[in-house]
Amino acid sequence: SQKIEQNSEALNIQEGKTATLTCNYTNYSPAYLQWYRQDPGRGPVFLLLIRENEKEKRKERLKVTFDTTLKQSLFHITASQPADSATYLCALDSNAGNMLTFGGGTRLMVKP
Amino acid sequence: ETGVTQTPRHLVMGMTNKKSLKCEQHLGHNAMYWYKQSAKKPLELMFVYNFKEQTENNSVPSRFSPECPNSSHLFLHLHTLQPEDSALYLCASSPHAQGINEQFFGPGTRLTVL
Repeated sequence: SQKIEQNSEALNIQEGKTATLTCNYTNYSPAYLQWYRQDPGRGPVFLLLIRENEKEKRKERLKVTFDTTLKQSLFHITASQPADSATYLCALDSNAGNMLTFGGGTRLMVKP
Repeated sequence: ETGVTQTPRHLVMGMTNKKSLKCEQHLGHNAMYWYKQSAKKPLELMFVYNFKEQTENNSVPSRFSPECPNSSHLFLHLHTLQPEDSALYLCASSPHAQGINEQFFGPGTRLTVL
């Protein structure tokens, strides 16, 4: 069966360090993958999108990689700040029909 | 903030009640979505509308009834819900329901079914 896995345990890191979050999937051939941020009591907010033929995408302190052989995406936040503390969700779409399937999210805690 | 608003933000209802959730987007998008987010579970896509037409019903029970009168408004009518339907219901929109585009989410309605 299709599955998207994100580490359900919270990731705790020190301010200034690089946070790395993982999204693994099985039985998918995603056309693209998206990362969202969700704060408590709020809806997800789009961060980055990466297509199947792209290896890496950057936006300011954010970097996403996409390895279709490993069936994995990594999401990096460099020079992390306490304000980066949130839950980060990955989402896949296999058909470019904007039908997103979400992972369970990983909660990031950045300590000052 | 995102251009997608949802009302009410919180709703408590009994199993015999009928209520409706409302979503409005001010972004000029053509596609709108309903998602359910339960505690400790991933977001689940419920319905997709493209140019007011329903294009996806993700095996949602009939006690949830969506309505999309125009591209800017989306409703979710609720009746005879069960306690396990308690969740955060999120509305989203995107420029199109086809192709590759990001989705813009509203703040959600926190629903509690007693």
